[in-house]
Amino acid sequence: DVKVTQSSRYLVKRTGEKVFLECVQDMDHENMFWYRQDPGLGLRLIYFSYDVKMKEKGDIPEGYSVSREKKERFSLILESASTNQTSMYLCASSNNEQFFGPGTRLTVL
Amino acid sequence: KQEVTQIPAALSVPEGENLVLNCSFTDSAIYNLQWFRQDPGKGLTSLLLIQSSQREQTSGRLNASLDKSSGRSTLYIAASQPGDSATYLCAVFSGGGADGLTFGKGTHLIIQP
Repeated sequence: DVKVTQSSRYLVKRTGEKVFLECVQDMDHENMFWYRQDPGLGLRLIYFSYDVKMKEKGDIPEGYSVSREKKERFSLILESASTNQTSMYLCASSNNEQFFGPGTRLTVL
Repeated sequence: KQEVTQIPAALSVPEGENLVLNCSFTDSAIYNLQWFRQDPGKGLTSLLLIQSSQREQTSGRLNASLDKSSGRSTLYIAASQPGDSATYLCAVFSGGGADGLTFGKGTHLIIQP
């Protein structure tokens, strides 16, 4: 079975902190994604990576950056967390079919 | 830009009924369509993937159909059970990297025991 894991299920941070969300997949997938999910807005793509060190901006990249140094790992970075970044963050990987991790519920106080 | 709509937004039915969830998309030039299930506070679980060349896919009590020309997909759930209660999302992949995958907002399904 494909497995996508995320480093934390729940995270509480303070405004202005630098936040790292880690995602690891074990199926040698080329493509990895970071989404956020908010009530009424659905899933929105933040960043997408199609290979090591390669990335593309999604619909809402502002306030975020990403890192893909190894194929299996895709990190989302909040440079200076703000309260409007409180959300559920979902990582996914795919070569065709998308597989999701369990999500990280981030609260920024 | 691709848009995906799911109707109804919410549905509540008694246990044992067969039901249909609908998904429509505006641009028929797609590579595939995927149905997911999401339980409260959890990630998405892939249910079925239909390639653009396929008309349907089946897994257990689930059957998904695809009519690309009319921009529609349906997810049929047979003999519904309380454990089927969840939010069901469809997503369309139109190619093109970051622009490629578009999600609907989901149908929140409740199966009454």
